[in-house]
Amino acid sequence: AQSVTQLDSHVSVSEGTPVLLRCNYSSSYSPSLFWYVQHPNKGLQLLLKYTSAATLVKGINGFEAEFKKSETSFHLTKPSAHMSDAAEYFCVVIGTKGAQKLVFGQGTRLTINP
Amino acid sequence: GAVVSQHPSRVICKSGTSVKIECRSLDFQATTMFWYRQFPKQSLMLMATSNEGSKATYEQGVEKDKFLINHASLTLSTLTVTSAHPEDSSFYICSARRLGIYEQYFGPGTRLTVT
Repeated sequence: AQSVTQLDSHVSVSEGTPVLLRCNYSSSYSPSLFWYVQHPNKGLQLLLKYTSAATLVKGINGFEAEFKKSETSFHLTKPSAHMSDAAEYFCVVIGTKGAQKLVFGQGTRLTINP
Repeated sequence: GAVVSQHPSRVICKSGTSVKIECRSLDFQATTMFWYRQFPKQSLMLMATSNEGSKATYEQGVEKDKFLINHASLTLSTLTVTSAHPEDSSFYICSARRLGIYEQYFGPGTRLTVT
């Protein structure tokens, strides 16, 4: 079965500095990977997705992620944090090949300091 | 496009009563809908998967008689929490998926509080 591990439960950065949220995956085949963002008491919004095309994926709001098979990683980055980026971020993988279920990481809470 | 709504956004009910939560895909046909539960400061836990016109598939440990799911049309799925107890208090989120597309579109969630 597929799984993802988010390496940090909480990340805190200053406004204007880079953001790095780390995610490692485990998969027996080429996975489909996603990053979702959840603002407080809200549903989830898709930031970006990797589905075996380009390894560097650009998403919304200036976020991007790079799929690295050799490192089994799919880290989320942003060059310059904004106050509005403060939220919970989830790394997600498709559960099994051809299946429908999403498998969620534990989440990383991003705090932005003024 | 691909908007999913949930109603109500917030509900408070008394212990022992039932409450229904609706999930609608507003601008697409959702062949599959999913129901998740999220406890404070935790990740989402999949409760069940429902395909239009068929019975829902529940995850291990989820009581199907307590959490009734109906997916009667391609745009509507409902979750009914029966005989609610305070431990059922949680944030319930639905998502919807088009046929042949991996991506799930999430609703805004429903905060259930059982007193």
